[in-house]
Amino acid sequence: GIQVEQSPPDLILQEGANSTLRCNFSDSVNNLQWFHQNPWGQLINLFYIPSGTKQNGRLSATTVATERYSLLYISSSQTTDSGVYFCAALSGFKTIFGAGTRLFVKA
Amino acid sequence: EAQVTQNPRYLITVTGKKLTVTCSQNMNHEYMSWYRQDPGLGLRQIYYSMNVEVTDKGDVPEGYKVSRKEKRNFPLILESPSPNQTSLYFCASSLVGGSGANVLTFGAGSRLTVL
Repeated sequence: GIQVEQSPPDLILQEGANSTLRCNFSDSVNNLQWFHQNPWGQLINLFYIPSGTKQNGRLSATTVATERYSLLYISSSQTTDSGVYFCAALSGFKTIFGAGTRLFVKA
Repeated sequence: EAQVTQNPRYLITVTGKKLTVTCSQNMNHEYMSWYRQDPGLGLRQIYYSMNVEVTDKGDVPEGYKVSRKEKRNFPLILESPSPNQTSLYFCASSLVGGSGANVLTFGAGSRLTVL
C-alpha cells in the first residue's frame, strides 16, 4: 500500500520564525489533506490540496502530485501553532496518515 | 452547526466487555470512517463506509466491527475488547469518498482504556 512519510518528526521554533513541513507519498493519490492536531487533541482541517498551491493567512501549502510530495509553510509562527501536523493521502476510499510533525513554538 | 459527534468521549472498561462507540454526522455525508491514533504511529484507518450498507476494511480492522444502517450514523463495535485496543479513536466523514470532494471532518475523539 501507499506509504506516507513526514519530516521533520519534531520541530522547535522561536515565535516569529518560519518553517516548512514536508510530506512524501510513495504512489499517486486521489488527494491530500493537511491537519493540525491541537494540544487538546482536536483535528482541524488546514488544507485540501490534491495539487497546486493554496494559502490561508500565515499558512500555505503546495502539492506536486507528479513528484509525490506536499509542503506546508508556516510563516511568523505563533505559540498557538504548537501541536502536531499530519498529512493524509487518500487512495481510492482509503486514508493513509503520516506519523506527523510535532511542532513547539516558544514565546 | 455542521459536526461529527462521538460518544463517549472517555471510557475505561475491562477486557471482554462489549462496547460501542457511536458516531453521528449532520452534514448528509456519504463517506464515514474510523481511525485509531497511537503514539508515534499517526492515525490508522480501521473501517470505512462509502454509503448506507456499504462498508470495507481499513488497515487495522482486527477486533472491530461496524455497521451503516443509516446515513448519519456509523458506530464502532468492540465485541471483546483487549488491552491492545487502548487508544484514541476518531470518526470522520466527508461528502463523498474516492476521488470526489472528500474533505474529511473529524469528531472530537474518544479515549478508550481497556484494563
